[in-house]
Amino acid sequence: GQSLEQPSEVTAVEGAIVQINCTYQTSGFYGLSWYQQHDGGAPTFLSYNALDGLEETGRFSSFLSRSDSYGYLLLQELQMKDSASYFCAVNQAGTALIFGKGTTLSVSS
Amino acid sequence: NAGVMQNPRHLVRRRGQEARLRCSPMKGHSHVYWYRQLPEEGLKFMVYLQKENIIDESGMPKERFSAEFPKEGPSILRIQQVVRGDSAAYFCASSPDPRGNYGYTFGSGTRLTVV
Repeated sequence: GQSLEQPSEVTAVEGAIVQINCTYQTSGFYGLSWYQQHDGGAPTFLSYNALDGLEETGRFSSFLSRSDSYGYLLLQELQMKDSASYFCAVNQAGTALIFGKGTTLSVSS
Repeated sequence: NAGVMQNPRHLVRRRGQEARLRCSPMKGHSHVYWYRQLPEEGLKFMVYLQKENIIDESGMPKERFSAEFPKEGPSILRIQQVVRGDSAAYFCASSPDPRGNYGYTFGSGTRLTVV
């Protein structure tokens, strides 16, 4: 079966850097995605890693190590609006994304 | 270009009634996915459809739940004889490719409350 593990909660202050880790076990792995969800609203796509290494998109970066079945989302220069839930998800062959249980990030001033 | 449209936003049903949730994918997206979310929990996969085909329904309960994506019109998630445990947020997403490499676009969800 598939499983994803990520911390349930992370707290940080404005301007800080935070890293949200995700480990996974799955078959037919294509890549790792990250999504953001504010207050139970529509999840929004942040990034996708198919290959090992770091992908940078503005203040957010995502990393994947296929050999370690591990990835992380790095958020820099944190802002209050970054307070949200962050989900890692595995893209796998022949089926839909499977999501982790999510990490609630709280940013304080 | 409208995003993924879900309706209704909120739905209240009495136990034993039927719930019909609708989802219109983004224009040009032929892959539709349904997820269920309980408060403070992750998105649990239910079913993956393409036009007129169910690709994977492994996450959907065998009884009372069904889904379709007809040639014309929105995708429908149907829950018959609802029970209190069906109360949740149901999200629909669509993508232009089967691998989701370019990300899924989610709708705003339907909040189902069974009383």
